[in-house]
Amino acid sequence: GENVEQHPSTLSVQEGDSAVIKCTYSDSASNYFPWYKQELGKGPQLIIDIRSNVGEKKDQRIAVTLNKTAKHFSLHITETQPEDSAVYFCAAFTGNQFYFGTGTSLTVIP
Amino acid sequence: DTAVSQTPKYLVTQMGNDKSIKCEQNLGHDTMYWYKQDSKKFLKIMFSYNNKELIINETVPNRFSPKSPDKAHLNLHINSLELGDSAVYFCASSRGPYTDTQYFGPGTRLTVL
Repeated sequence: GENVEQHPSTLSVQEGDSAVIKCTYSDSASNYFPWYKQELGKGPQLIIDIRSNVGEKKDQRIAVTLNKTAKHFSLHITETQPEDSAVYFCAAFTGNQFYFGTGTSLTVIP
Repeated sequence: DTAVSQTPKYLVTQMGNDKSIKCEQNLGHDTMYWYKQDSKKFLKIMFSYNNKELIINETVPNRFSPKSPDKAHLNLHINSLELGDSAVYFCASSRGPYTDTQYFGPGTRLTVL
């Protein structure tokens, strides 16, 4: 089956700085890569996603890049704000099932 | 309007008891899921139903039994609760079994004493 690794497990940045979270996957059949944000006491919410035929996607302060050859994808958050503090999960979709990374706890320090 | 809802939000019970968690989605989706999130925040799929039929059944103790009375509801019944069952359980839904975006409920925090 698929194996998704996510790093770092915790990340602290100063407000206004950028944050980068990286994930690797093992199954070359994986073709869809969503990122979820989980705030305290809530369920994960989709924030951005990318498909295997695209190398980069951007939505305001959030961007995701995908390197299919190396089998890794990254989440980039620019101009971080305190409300960006949460746990972020990457996931890989193999065509019939999702596999989640282990999560990154992001803290944005005001 | 809540897209995916779960009840109860918190559940505290004694070891050995039987309990149920309910999930409902009003998105018109065909597929629903149960995930378990442990204390380290690791998300692991347990079950998936598509149009009331079980399609994913991961390695989960048979004390856990999902039931889908209709495609808008997927309930999780747990028999003989154990300490290790303590976790947050999330319900999710998607348009179909082989399509993408999943929408998660707010979670049910189960504590077994």
